[in-house]
Amino acid sequence: DTGVSQDPRHKITKRGQNVTFRCDPISEHNRLYWYRQTLGQGPEFLTYFQNEAQLEKSRLLSDRFSAERPKGSFSTLEIQRTEQGDSAMYLCASSPTRDINTEAFFGQGTRLTVV
Amino acid sequence: DQQVKQNSPSLSVQEGRISILNCDYTNSMFDYFLWYKKYPAEGPTFLISISSIKDKNEDGRFTVFLNKSAKHLSLHIVPSQPGDSAVYFCAASGGQGAQKLVFGQGTRLTINP
Repeated sequence: DTGVSQDPRHKITKRGQNVTFRCDPISEHNRLYWYRQTLGQGPEFLTYFQNEAQLEKSRLLSDRFSAERPKGSFSTLEIQRTEQGDSAMYLCASSPTRDINTEAFFGQGTRLTVV
Repeated sequence: DQQVKQNSPSLSVQEGRISILNCDYTNSMFDYFLWYKKYPAEGPTFLISISSIKDKNEDGRFTVFLNKSAKHLSLHIVPSQPGDSAVYFCAASGGQGAQKLVFGQGTRLTINP
């Protein structure tokens, strides 16, 4: 296992189109997170899964955003009716559940550009 | 409301000298603090962490100090090397959002030869 994998690495889409990103976490990690990072800012939390259950969603996650993690393995993040303000780096991270406090391991991200 | 703040957007240090990156937080419920390093076009990479029950944690050239009364932490890198040039993010977790990380804005560290 080489770490957290995200696909695609880059996506350019026209405003109003739907996009879907995929994240494959480290195989033994039960926790999976989605973050968004814009230029000059740190990553901002979007949502979090414990196995297949989505346990927390940020208010940043509008109703145009939906995330799933079927069977507690890979996860998808879909953005419907994209807007220019959705342009950002979308980061996925995973962590094990052996400790309450543990570091999260990040993928390389998907850079979304909405034109 | 920016709960984790890195007030220095950039820092330039001579190779071999000490680099000190600072971070302040406002949420007293935070009990776990991390530093991540990020190169362009890559995701953040975990560097070092510290629990609130400690005031110092060391890993090779990297040391993190935590001052709970001041709600301040710092990352010391000594000696600094050219490969340390990157953006460094401070992050915190704890309280109601115990599972998520709250990040600062980042500090771009440049190590000059």
